Amino acid sequence: DVQMTQSPSYLAASPGESVSISCKASKSISNNLAWYQEKPGKANKLLIHSGSTLQSGTPSRFSGSGSGTDFTLTIRSLEFEDFAVYYCQQYNEYPLTFGSGTKLEIK
Amino acid sequence: QVQLQQSGAELVKPGSSVKISCKASGYTFTSYDMHWIKQQPGNGLEWIGWIYPGNGNTKYNQKFNGKATLTADKSSSTAYMQLSSLTSEDSAVYFCARGYYSSRGWYFDFWGPGTMVTVSS
Repeated sequence: DVQMTQSPSYLAASPGESVSISCKASKSISNNLAWYQEKPGKANKLLIHSGSTLQSGTPSRFSGSGSGTDFTLTIRSLEFEDFAVYYCQQYNEYPLTFGSGTKLEIK
Repeated sequence: QVQLQQSGAELVKPGSSVKISCKASGYTFTSYDMHWIKQQPGNGLEWIGWIYPGNGNTKYNQKFNGKATLTADKSSSTAYMQLSSLTSEDSAVYFCARGYYSSRGWYFDFWGPGTMVTVSS
């Protein structure tokens, strides 16, 4: 199975700041990577697919980069609504696998 | 708009089975795979498998072979997952999610709210 390693597990930041979350695959997955946002009481939301393509409705302050084994989710100018848990997921091969999540908290 | 409505929380006894549902609306149910995903506190997300309601084809994560059975009812646009021989390891939140096929596999563009299954005597 492709192991997805996310870091950091926890991240504290203030509104207006920019943050980056890393996701590393145990083998090359090309750009077959998605990012999701999890918030209490809401359905998980797809933010980015294909490594860097914003899903319709995703604010432009979100961006994704990377290919192969190393990927990054960057959020510029954090807004209060961005404080959540973020997961990466590879879809290059079976079984589909997820990172362990990054909890973004307000500092 | 696409909506996935899941059945309510379940409290079940060890050794028993449970069947949870996911009712889809806002799109053509038979045109997209439906995936199921497990989430345990501290264990992250695990992909269980998918079903294509158009023809009933399924694909499972080997880890869940024999544990999960996926079915779908086209007439009611509802997907089901049955979990059998339940143990405490099966206590989790289970999500259905619509799969979008891209390049090599699926990502999930819409998710249900989750169904909590608690296995306890």
